[in-house]
Amino acid sequence: GQQLNQSPQSMFIQEGEDVSMNCTSSSIFNTWLWYKQEPGEGPVLLIALYKAGELTSNGRLTAQFGITRKDSFLNISASIPSDVGIYFCAGQSGNQFYFGTGTSLTVIP
Amino acid sequence: KAGVTQTPRYLIKTRGQQVTLSCSPISGHRSVSWYQQTPGQGLQFLFEYFSETQRNKGNFPGRFSGRQFSNSRSEMNVSTLELGDSALYLCASSSRTHAYEQYFGPGTRLTVT
Repeated sequence: GQQLNQSPQSMFIQEGEDVSMNCTSSSIFNTWLWYKQEPGEGPVLLIALYKAGELTSNGRLTAQFGITRKDSFLNISASIPSDVGIYFCAGQSGNQFYFGTGTSLTVIP
Repeated sequence: KAGVTQTPRYLIKTRGQQVTLSCSPISGHRSVSWYQQTPGQGLQFLFEYFSETQRNKGNFPGRFSGRQFSNSRSEMNVSTLELGDSALYLCASSSRTHAYEQYFGPGTRLTVT
């Protein structure tokens, strides 16, 4: 199957700091999505990106669809304690979605 | 609008048994996908149903099967359970107009002993 490399694996940051994580693939995707998952819950859709180069924001979150269509990044500005969770990228190709391995974010108050 | 619901939330089964998990999609969503999530393998696609037809299938053995009903509710079945089937099973639904925006349920935590 297609592999999505997500980095970093984990992050420990101070409240108020900005966060950046990214996802790369050896294959081209038509859609990139970013999800957040908290313990005991399913992933929650944060941002969906549909075009190469697209930059989309959702509150303090900003994500971009890479020009090569093989990568995407997610930024979180001015982190707060409730940003804690695991962030997953997902790429869509055909009728299938492929997920990254996740970035675990810890925010220290 | 109610979200995706999955039942049961937790399940403990013994090796060799079979299990059926249920998923009710968001009202109006006709596509339902199932995923297995484990610490080692992450989120892996099982299959997708649309209008009662399996439209896509991941790389899982035939012990894993599913179906979708006319009201878009879906079930997945795992027969002859193995220890390695212990996982969080997630269901996601999407609408026709935003087919690539999947909304996940809370999952069913299956433990096989």
